[in-house]
Amino acid sequence: DAEITQSPRHKITETGRQVTLACHQTWNHNNMFWYRQDLGHGLRLIHYSYGVQDTNKGEVSDGYSVSRSNTEDLPLTLESAASSQTSVYFCASSTRNTGELFFGEGSRLTVL
Amino acid sequence: QKEVEQNSGPLSVPEGAIASLNCTYSDRGSQSFFWYRQYSGKSPELIMSIYSNGDKEDGRFTAQLNKASQYVSLLIRDSQPSDSATYLCAVKRRSQGNLIFGKGTKLSVKP
Repeated sequence: DAEITQSPRHKITETGRQVTLACHQTWNHNNMFWYRQDLGHGLRLIHYSYGVQDTNKGEVSDGYSVSRSNTEDLPLTLESAASSQTSVYFCASSTRNTGELFFGEGSRLTVL
Repeated sequence: QKEVEQNSGPLSVPEGAIASLNCTYSDRGSQSFFWYRQYSGKSPELIMSIYSNGDKEDGRFTAQLNKASQYVSLLIRDSQPSDSATYLCAVKRRSQGNLIFGKGTKLSVKP
């Protein structure tokens, strides 16, 4: 069965360290997204991609970067982790037309 | 004004009752509307999508869309304790592939 997987599922790191969250989908979807979810804020879009070599900034992109070298993967990098980036991160993918998102299981990141 | 607004709840209904969840959106260019269910500690899962005015039914779920009023709703008939979750309304603009989410309404179904 097609799926979308995130790793690691849980990560504790220190302020200033670089962190990369992996996202891999086997749906063969063109569109991939990274959201963060925080109490009181709901799901907020960080970065997204509509295809290989395409990346775009979302609502809360500062301090994050992504790259899309193939269809299956969209890793999210925190260049210098900050405590404000403690959150649950969800990767999602969709086909070009429907907009129906399929989510990974989430990655809980704690920055101390 | 937030782009997608929902009452945060919690909304509490007895088992077997109808749960009514509401959502308003601000961008008239929105074309697609979605309801996601999220259990505590889990990822959101799509339960309904609706693209045109009117009602769309799927089992115990009915989504209603009124573009003139910029209003989307989700009705859950014969509510079950297993329906207890946070329900997220999401909207897609015509020119974009990403979804904008409301903050969610927490539903509690009491046995």
